Amino acid sequence: DADVTQTPRNRITKTGKRIMLECSQTKGHDRMYWYRQDPGLGLRLIYYSFDVKDINKGEISDGYSVSRQAQAKFSLSLESAIPNQTALYFCATSETGPMGSMGYTFGSGTRLTVV
Amino acid sequence: GIQVEQSPPDLILQEGANSTLRCNFSDSVNNLQWFHQNPWGQLINLFYIPSGTKQNGRLSATTVATERYSLLYISSSQTTDSGVYFCAVEGYNNNDMRFGAGTRLTVKP
Repeated sequence: DADVTQTPRNRITKTGKRIMLECSQTKGHDRMYWYRQDPGLGLRLIYYSFDVKDINKGEISDGYSVSRQAQAKFSLSLESAIPNQTALYFCATSETGPMGSMGYTFGSGTRLTVV
Repeated sequence: GIQVEQSPPDLILQEGANSTLRCNFSDSVNNLQWFHQNPWGQLINLFYIPSGTKQNGRLSATTVATERYSLLYISSSQTTDSGVYFCAVEGYNNNDMRFGAGTRLTVKP
């Protein structure tokens, strides 16, 4: 089984619909992240969480919300999807090290298309 | 936030050639990592290297933190090295990893 599991792998949804992307991990890491990847722009951070009670906005949080249901689970919601949220979404985990985040591990990604 | 610039944006090599990828960053960093995204989209952590030099097989990386750059060396490249290489940094005052736009490497047989 994968260390970081994202569901679904692919999703097509209509404009205005609410959608949730889920992420679970077996790494035992305390930190979890959601990124989106657009062609030519690398990965941009949406939200991150350093423990269950800690939620922080990243570079591009507008239009998104998250929930850290447990140490191992971190979900991303699009309350009202719009076409420019079409992208590849990655969940990642890391552990707290002496020099910041260590052991970054990514899920396989969710390809979201909003029509 | 910290700006991360990678060069070159694209690189095409013949199998067996060596290459150097560069990552420049705009401020002091607590953490720097290199990742490889294969043609199927999977992201793999290559190096955790906030300073110094590390080697793993044909790949090695060097970070000169005082001069705000890092280099990734690929020797004797293979077709399986193709993909996009990302540099990501975490600043002392930030708690998030900022990614560069990546270097797309194509290794031809």
